[in-house]
Amino acid sequence: GAGVSQTPSNKVTEKGKYVELRCDPISGHTALYWYRQSLGQGPEFLIYFQGTGAADDSGLPNDRFFAVRPEGSVSTLKIQRTERGDSAVYLCASSSGNGGETQYFGPGTRLLVL
Amino acid sequence: GNSVTQMEGPVTLSEEAFLTINCTYTATGYPSLFWYVQYPGEGLQLLLKATKADDKGSNKGFEATYRKETTSFHLEKGSVQVSDSAVYFCALRGASGGSNYKLTFGKGTLLTVNP
Repeated sequence: GAGVSQTPSNKVTEKGKYVELRCDPISGHTALYWYRQSLGQGPEFLIYFQGTGAADDSGLPNDRFFAVRPEGSVSTLKIQRTERGDSAVYLCASSSGNGGETQYFGPGTRLLVL
Repeated sequence: GNSVTQMEGPVTLSEEAFLTINCTYTATGYPSLFWYVQYPGEGLQLLLKATKADDKGSNKGFEATYRKETTSFHLEKGSVQVSDSAVYFCALRGASGGSNYKLTFGKGTLLTVNP
């Protein structure tokens, strides 16, 4: 079946602009995660959804970052007033059950803030 | 908090050489341990995992053994192929409570296998 998909694959924006990154998880997966991967680093946890609710948003770096999952499927990561330091690859993953299972990753969105 | 330290790359090998990528971790209790692989232009894929001490994960000729006494999960392959060229990430998932879902990753090791 289809894996996790993310759009866009690449996004270039200017400092101060607003961006939205979309994640479409594997059908039926109730758990969804966002990670951020900076150049030369491993992915770092941002937020975890179980169904429609954010069960843990402790990894969001500041209040410019926000994520939603209104119907318990597709999720959108929103970044306001982007800064050059936000440039990274944003990864989405999903898993079945309540979070203790194998996480399946999407290809990521490469964000570049000029 | 949880952390993962893995061998820094890049690692360059000839085809059929033996591969070891070292990984050590810091965590409370008994975390689950993973190796993920990222092939050029593709997303992260789970390569293998182990969920308790002395377990051996294996897949595609790769192996790693969960060593609680040395807090290690080294990745090995007896004979690498050109198609194994990728970035390899060691990761852990906390044992229980508030961290039993989030993955903590190492920085990744770039492996290049030459024909």
